[in-house]
Amino acid sequence: GQQVMQIPQYQHVQEGEDFTTYCNSSTTLSNIQWYKQRPGGHPVFLIQLVKSGEVKKQKRLTFQFGEAKKNSSLHITATQTTDVGTYFCAGGNTGKLIFGQGTTLQVKP
Amino acid sequence: GAGVSQSPRYKVAKRGQDVALRCDPISGHVSLFWYQQALGQGPEFLTYFQNEAQLDKSGLPSDRFFAERPEGSVSTLKIQRTQQEDSAVYLCASSLDGFLNEQFFGPGTRLTVL
Repeated sequence: GQQVMQIPQYQHVQEGEDFTTYCNSSTTLSNIQWYKQRPGGHPVFLIQLVKSGEVKKQKRLTFQFGEAKKNSSLHITATQTTDVGTYFCAGGNTGKLIFGQGTTLQVKP
Repeated sequence: GAGVSQSPRYKVAKRGQDVALRCDPISGHVSLFWYQQALGQGPEFLTYFQNEAQLDKSGLPSDRFFAERPEGSVSTLKIQRTQQEDSAVYLCASSLDGFLNEQFFGPGTRLTVL
């Protein structure tokens, strides 16, 4: 069946450093969504990408959707302690979202 | 308005017991999704409703799992004869219409089967 893989599983950075998480699907996606889950919390929607090659920015966060619509990335510039949490990509296909296993970001002040 | 609510927030069951988990979606949201999240993993799709119609139940792990949304609003996920491997957080999410819209998640129900 369809799989969505995310790397790395964990990332520890010093505050101010950049961070990137990558998402790869075994099949072409209709859309990709990114969510953030704080420890003990529930996933919260960040953004959706739909078009091939699409790039969207939210302040220090940059999201990309690959040309083949099979991969995506989230890049955070100059991380802050408030960025701590687990970032999930979720690929859409056949009417549902398939979540990756997430990248947990730790930021050392 | 209020977000997605789920009850109970925590449930401890003995192996073999039946449990029922409730989800109240955001008012007016047509689509409702159930996910299972194991520790350290991403949410895993269980089932999806469009109004009262269950359009996809391909993620339900076994026939012990049953979900319903009889009036197109509140949904219940029922697990019969619980097993230890059913221990997880069960998340409910709703969206305006379908998977191409932002999903709003509830706080989840943490189920522990002893």
